[in-house]
Amino acid sequence: GQNIDQPTEMTATEGAIVQINCTYQTSGFNGLFWYQQHAGEAPTFLSYNVLDGLEEKGRFSSFLSRSKGYSYLLLKELQMKDSASYLCAPGFQKLVFGTGTRLLVSP
Amino acid sequence: GAGVSQSPRYKVAKRGQDVALRCDPISGHVSLFWYQQALGQGPEFLTYFQNEAQLDKSGLPSDRFFAERPEGSVSTLKIQRTQQEDSAVYLCASSPAASGSNEQFFGPGTRLTVL
Repeated sequence: GQNIDQPTEMTATEGAIVQINCTYQTSGFNGLFWYQQHAGEAPTFLSYNVLDGLEEKGRFSSFLSRSKGYSYLLLKELQMKDSASYLCAPGFQKLVFGTGTRLLVSP
Repeated sequence: GAGVSQSPRYKVAKRGQDVALRCDPISGHVSLFWYQQALGQGPEFLTYFQNEAQLDKSGLPSDRFFAERPEGSVSTLKIQRTQQEDSAVYLCASSPAASGSNEQFFGPGTRLTVL
């Protein structure tokens, strides 16, 4: 089976840095994806880790440790538009999503 | 360029009615996925196609759910005898390759409400 755990909600202020953690137990996957989902909209791709370590992409970075079943998404220089849900999804072909972390960025 | 499109965007059905939800993937994308997203939850996998072949339907919740992709492009998710618990957003996603190493591009979803 696959069990994915993320905090339900987080709050942060504009300009700050926030780290969203994800732990998972999965029987097999080839990579871990992070998606962003604004309310009422479709998920959009943020990052993908297939190897252990850090992947950096502008203001967003994602880290993966397969041995620990752990990933995090790091968001820097937070903007109001970053208020959204962030979904951690290990997968091979099909993705298995957690319930997501709702991030609220305040001025 | 055109992304994944889904129709209708909203569907209201009376309990017991049949519904058909359509997905137009990005042109040339080999893989197509259907997910169900209940309010406040993450998307849950329903089924997966590689071209016209349905390779995984392990997530379909009951035999009332049926999906097809006869020509390897457009896909239809059909729900027979809808129940209130079927109310959710149905998301379609496509991916350019057969392997799992590519991001999936999601459509806007169809919000189904069963009364």
